[in-house]
Amino acid sequence: AQSVTQLGSHVSVSEGALVLLRCNYSSSVPPYLFWYVQYPNQGLQLLLKYTTGATLVKGINGFEAEFKKSETSFHLTKPSAHMSDAAEYFCAVSGGSNYKLTFGKGTLLTVNP
Amino acid sequence: NAGVTQTPKFQVLKTGQSMTLQCAQDMNHEYMSWYRQDPGMGLRLIHYSVGAGITDQGEVPNGYNVSRSTTEDFPLRLLSAAPSQTSVYFCASKTTRQGGYTFGSGTRLTVV
Repeated sequence: AQSVTQLGSHVSVSEGALVLLRCNYSSSVPPYLFWYVQYPNQGLQLLLKYTTGATLVKGINGFEAEFKKSETSFHLTKPSAHMSDAAEYFCAVSGGSNYKLTFGKGTLLTVNP
Repeated sequence: NAGVTQTPKFQVLKTGQSMTLQCAQDMNHEYMSWYRQDPGMGLRLIHYSVGAGITDQGEVPNGYNVSRSTTEDFPLRLLSAAPSQTSVYFCASKTTRQGGYTFGSGTRLTVV
């Protein structure tokens, strides 16, 4: 069984501030972890993924995430928020053969000027 | 290379009607999935396929059927629509075990 908890359904930051979106997961097997972004009225776009190897993963648009097995976490960060980062972000976990994704409920990121 | 194409983009059904949501990908991806997205619920897996002729149920399969006769197409059928099936439906595909899914732009379905 696998599950994802995203802490905070809504996060608000100022432009230029640090973005931190929290994700904790549960998986009975070594996990594959993903972050997706969804802009209004669009589909989901893959930001980054962790499969094996390096625990610090860099993605598109300046985002990165660190896999911490001991904390069962995969938090998403960006050093400096931009107005264009305003969107909903989803963390997802998959285990084993990696064809069944389980999503968190999402975090809506607002960026204030 | 169009990626994952979903049709229609919008649909209104009456309770009890049937319809098929179409999904096609031109990337020769083995794995395909259907998700539904509801406010505050994230995305939930309906059905998935690991190759032509192979499908299986996800988290919320009731009221939906799928088939996968070709690699490219993975239609989702609603046999008798219910208001609880009002949602945004996303189709997704991927090619490798370690890859992430590519999503279509979605179908917004309203059942009245």
